[in-house]
Amino acid sequence: QVQLQESGPGLVKPSETLSLTCTVSGGSISYYYWTWIRQPPGKGLEWIGYIYSGGSTNYNPSLKSRVTISVDTSKNQLSLKLTSVTAADTAVYYCARSGDGFSLFDYWGQGTLVTVSS
Amino acid sequence: QSVLTQPPSASGTPGQRVTISCSGANSNIASYTVNWYQQLPGTAPKLLIYSNNQRPSGVPDRFSGSKSGTSASLAISGLQSEDEADYYCAAWDDSLNGVVFGGGTKLTVL
Repeated sequence: QVQLQESGPGLVKPSETLSLTCTVSGGSISYYYWTWIRQPPGKGLEWIGYIYSGGSTNYNPSLKSRVTISVDTSKNQLSLKLTSVTAADTAVYYCARSGDGFSLFDYWGQGTLVTVSS
Repeated sequence: QSVLTQPPSASGTPGQRVTISCSGANSNIASYTVNWYQQLPGTAPKLLIYSNNQRPSGVPDRFSGSKSGTSASLAISGLQSEDEADYYCAAWDDSLNGVVFGGGTKLTVL
């Protein structure tokens, strides 16, 4: 059974960089697309972007200038970096595996809350 | 404002049938398959319906999906208390060149 686990700081200061890691277990990261999604408290889901195990990426245009998603196949991990954060970036961040179709997320991490505050 | 439009809330009594709509455009729903997610309180979303009307293993057949033109629907029959959750539709969008979600519908079982 594939499992995903997000990790990283729960508190980030405004203007700094948010960095999260998603560790995949129970299966290989190879040959799949992996996506980051976020959910502000009490609000809906927002697609951040995806990466293929080979390294190609696609980002939400609204975040593109600040986002970098990378993959380390040797560690079975993907990472998210979001620069110049503000309070509006406070959210639960999820990593998910894309199945057959970019909007089909068949496995999800439990999510990690990141609060942007000084 | 979400690209896909869902009603913010829906409700029903146990045993009833409820439907949740998801309205989009030619650039998303009309051109690509729709997937539905169920998010129970305090948990991560879970894939509920994929490719418009397919159920993953383990999802009860009380849940069904359909799509016509620029709209999709999720139907839940024989409503149960454990169905109380938020439901989201999602699809690829050519204009965004990315994935778009509906704003979510909070289902209350009265």
